[in-house]
Amino acid sequence: GAGVSQSPSNKVTEKGKDVELRCDPISGHTALYWYRQSLGQGLEFLIYFQGNSAPDKSGLPSDRFSAERTGGSVSTLTIQRTQQEDSAVYLCASRAAGQETQYFGPGTRLLVL
Amino acid sequence: GQQVMQIPQYQHVQEGEDFTTYCNSSTTLSNIQWYKQRPGGHPVFLIQLVKSGEVKKQKRLTFQFGEAKKNSSLHITATQTTDVGTYFCAVGQGAQKLVFGQGTRLTINP
Repeated sequence: GAGVSQSPSNKVTEKGKDVELRCDPISGHTALYWYRQSLGQGLEFLIYFQGNSAPDKSGLPSDRFSAERTGGSVSTLTIQRTQQEDSAVYLCASRAAGQETQYFGPGTRLLVL
Repeated sequence: GQQVMQIPQYQHVQEGEDFTTYCNSSTTLSNIQWYKQRPGGHPVFLIQLVKSGEVKKQKRLTFQFGEAKKNSSLHITATQTTDVGTYFCAVGQGAQKLVFGQGTRLTINP
């Protein structure tokens, strides 16, 4: 596709359940980022993948959060044992090698009841 | 780590008035980017500034990078309702990781 896509667009889950959020970056982009945005707030960096290098996980808020990027393309963000404070919009962005600009997907709106 | 302060947090203007948002850092920046997020939407890249004292224009938007490369501003002349949204600055930290300011939410009274 022409842009970054994310699925699902909306997710409602019960506290304690696990969720998986998917990101399809722009084809050929080597870098992929996950951010979290709470209502009316800024973007909180979660994790960054660059090629085959070890990911930068410095932004993950707890060990309930993990992410994978398979084959250097699609990425999945997993949140285990969700809590109500995990409710937010989870944004994925990708970037081409040698470029600075990040292109964002539409986000997944997660609501934990 | 790198931090950037963005002010104001909110700005409400009458349509046709000007608007400015500022980003400030305590350290010298290699570059700064600006993004716009419409209500309910996702951040969209606007521009990147790299050079000291750089000024770039996009129609009614003027972007400036300070001489010391520690601050930047985005100025909108004669706002229109389509300018509504949150404007974020973002600075690089380490290897290609961006740190975003808290954003300035612009609302416009038509």
